Amino acid sequence: NAGVTQTPKFRILKIGQSMTLQCTQDMNHNYMYWYRQDPGMGLKLIYYSVGAGITDKGEVPNGYNVSRSTTEDFPLRLELAAPSQTSVYFCASSGQGLDYGYTFGSGTRLTVV
Amino acid sequence: GQSLEQPSEVTAVEGAIVQINCTYQTSGFYGLSWYQQHDGGAPTFLSYNALDGLEETGRFSSFLSRSDSYGYLLLQELQMKDSASYFCAVNRDDKIIFGKGTRLHILP
Repeated sequence: NAGVTQTPKFRILKIGQSMTLQCTQDMNHNYMYWYRQDPGMGLKLIYYSVGAGITDKGEVPNGYNVSRSTTEDFPLRLELAAPSQTSVYFCASSGQGLDYGYTFGSGTRLTVV
Repeated sequence: GQSLEQPSEVTAVEGAIVQINCTYQTSGFYGLSWYQQHDGGAPTFLSYNALDGLEETGRFSSFLSRSDSYGYLLLQELQMKDSASYFCAVNRDDKIIFGKGTRLHILP
């Protein structure tokens, strides 16, 4: 099993550009999440999904959009990138309930210049 | 609102025991989780406490007191590979909210 796969691993964007961060999991997990982590800080929840076709905002959703058309995929869209979106983005999933914890992807390091 | 408080840094000696505390204020609390993150890596799940008391997993133990809104992670027989950041996180509704993390430095 690959677990949670994120692409790309690194990306540099210019201000105002857009991009999609890809996340896919092969564990048939219903719950999927996007977090961002700024240097030396904790993880902030951007968006999450409890199943295909269902998404909801987290703590810091502004400037981002998500979709969940399949159980496996949960892409994160950045529109009009800003320097404040420079961060490391982690996708995570959970299957049997949160007491079993999340499985995280390896992250995407995004720099907006 | 919700908040989690944990020390920003802790230093301990190899082979010793260290405790990382976490206090929280949140509504809709289901339980407290702990995650480990090495530099440049992704967080990995360590433990989860839904009920009061101590949960033990090898060298790591986690404790929760719901009445005190307090928990801790206990690491025994510290090894250099335990140098990492440790995050407490509250499980609420369908999601997990993370604290800012405690960086654990281990001295030889």
